[in-house]
Amino acid sequence: GAGVSQSPSNKVTEKGKDVELRCDPISGHTALYWYRQSLGQGLEFLIYFQGNSAPDKSGLPSDRFSAERTGGSVSTLTIQRTQQEDSAVYLCASSLGKHSDEQFFGPGTRLTVL
Amino acid sequence: QQQVKQSPQSLIVQKGGIPIINCAYENTAFDYFPWYQQFPGKGPALLIAIRPDVSEKKEGRFTISFNKSAKQFSLHIMDSQPGDSATYFCAAKNSGNTPLVFGKGTRLSVIA
Repeated sequence: GAGVSQSPSNKVTEKGKDVELRCDPISGHTALYWYRQSLGQGLEFLIYFQGNSAPDKSGLPSDRFSAERTGGSVSTLTIQRTQQEDSAVYLCASSLGKHSDEQFFGPGTRLTVL
Repeated sequence: QQQVKQSPQSLIVQKGGIPIINCAYENTAFDYFPWYQQFPGKGPALLIAIRPDVSEKKEGRFTISFNKSAKQFSLHIMDSQPGDSATYFCAAKNSGNTPLVFGKGTRLSVIA
């Protein structure tokens, strides 16, 4: 079956602009995670969704970052007023449900803020 | 505070060798320990995972060894091949829907 998909694969933006990154999880997976991968910082957790609710937003680095999930499926990560330090690869992962530990990652969106 | 420490940062082995990547964790509540393989431009792919009730797990050429008392676990790749050249990440998490905590990664190069 289809894996996790993300779009766009690459995004170049100017400092101060807003960006939206999209994640389509594996069909039937109720849990969805966003991570950020940057040089020197490794993979960092941003936010987790169970269904459409986000019980854990503890990893969001600032109030410029927000995310939503609709219909228990697609999720959008929005970064407002982008800064150069936001440049990174943003990864989405999905998991089967409440008692499942396995997380499956998408290919990521490479964000470059000029 | 780095909850999962991974070493080495990079590793070069000859084809057929057995690279070993080590990880140590601090949180005793962690009970799921996966390894991910990542090729350039791709997302991490789940390779193998272990829980603390077993000391070793093998899947094909990949083996995880787990030492609960030392809070350490390691990945061994038997008969390594150039196609195994990638970055490997260890991770850990609590049970259920909780985020993964990753090590910093190990860049493995297998030379022919």
